[in-house]
Parts: sequence; structure tokens; C-alpha cells
Amino acid sequence: GDSVTQMEGPVTLSEEAFLTINCTYTATGYPSLFWYVQYPGEGLQLLLKATKADDKGSNKGFEATYRKETTSFHLEKGSVQVSDSAVYFCALTLSGGYNKLIFGAGTRLAVHP
Amino acid sequence: GAVVSQHPSRVICKSGTSVKIECRSLDFQATTMFWYRQFPKQSLMLMATSNEGSKATYEQGVEKDKFLINHASLTLSTLTVTSAHPEDSSFYICSAPIGSTNEKLFFGSGTQLSVL
Repeated sequence: GDSVTQMEGPVTLSEEAFLTINCTYTATGYPSLFWYVQYPGEGLQLLLKATKADDKGSNKGFEATYRKETTSFHLEKGSVQVSDSAVYFCALTLSGGYNKLIFGAGTRLAVHP
Repeated sequence: GAVVSQHPSRVICKSGTSVKIECRSLDFQATTMFWYRQFPKQSLMLMATSNEGSKATYEQGVEKDKFLINHASLTLSTLTVTSAHPEDSSFYICSAPIGSTNEKLFFGSGTQLSVL
């Protein structure tokens, strides 16, 4: 079935380090891909998205490129800040409807000064 | 922006008791809300879709008699875990949409349920 696999956390980095959180997917069709972020004590919120192959989603310094050939959507940021500490969820949808979001397990990121 | 409030954030209960989790849309009306569950180190999984004024729609494998969902108003959906057992210990999250796109899907902060 359709699924999303994320690298297992936690990921611990020093401030200004480069971040990569890996995400790969399995899907029978052509999914839209998403990254959601959950800051401590808050609900998940959409960070970025890409709807077709080679699209790059970007927001708040984060980027992810939809790679059909490797079925991946890795999240990157060139220089992380302490305020980026959160749990990051990769997700996909095939139908385009929010009720069919398929999530990964989430990756916790901890950034230290 | 829109806010979804989920309460409680953490609950510990004894085996056999029932636990109610509330999900409120604070500044918008939600005819539909979604309930998810996440076991440790596993994916966040959709359990059911809550529909205001009608029965909830459950995903395959989710026991509707165990996870009672009530969506009695346009701003409140509740999930009751009945006769909870240790295997029900999990992280539960609700969400509510505005419109029909993922940009307008707002999540609660989640409830960590621990059943002793």
C-alpha cells in the first residue's frame, strides 16, 4: 500500500548546522508531497509542499524537492536555529483531499545553541 | 489564524475506564473533523472522520464501538475511548479543515493517553 518512511530521530544539531531529514514514499499513482511541522505544545502545521515531479517546495529557509526517480522528498535547511526544534512529518496524498493524507512517523529535531 | 484546541494534552487512566478527548475549532466552524492515532515510532494514522450531525466514518480496522465519536456542534468533536486497555495507549490528534485544500487543515496539539 501507499506509505511514507522517514529517518528515525531524534536529530540533534548545533545552531547554524546543515539539516537533512530523509523521506521516501511508496505510492501507486502520482502523489502530492508535504512536510508538516509540530512545534512544542502546538498542532501540526503545513511547512511546504510539492505537487509534481521536480517541484521544489520552500518556506522559512526549508526546502524539499520532489524526486520521482528516487521516490524521495528530503527536507533540507542550510542553517538551523534553536527555534527550528520541533517534530517534522512527511506526508503524501493521492486523491488531493485532506482526508487521505498518509503520514510518516515524524522526526524530532533538537537544535542546541 | 485558525486554531484547533484539543484537551486534555495528557491523560493517565486505569484499565477499564473511559476517556474523553475534546477537539474544538475556536474561530471557525467545522462540519468535518479528523481523528488520528500514532503509536510509538509508527506513522500518524487516520482513525475516523467526524461529521457534524451524522455518524462518523471509521477507517478499516478501527472499532467504532470502542472509539466513540460525537460531533454535536459545528465547533466540537469528541473522541471517547471506552473501556480503555494498555494497548490503547497512544498519541491522538484531531484536525479540522477550512475549505477543501491541505493548506487549510488545522491540527490540535494532540493527547497522549497512557492506560495503566
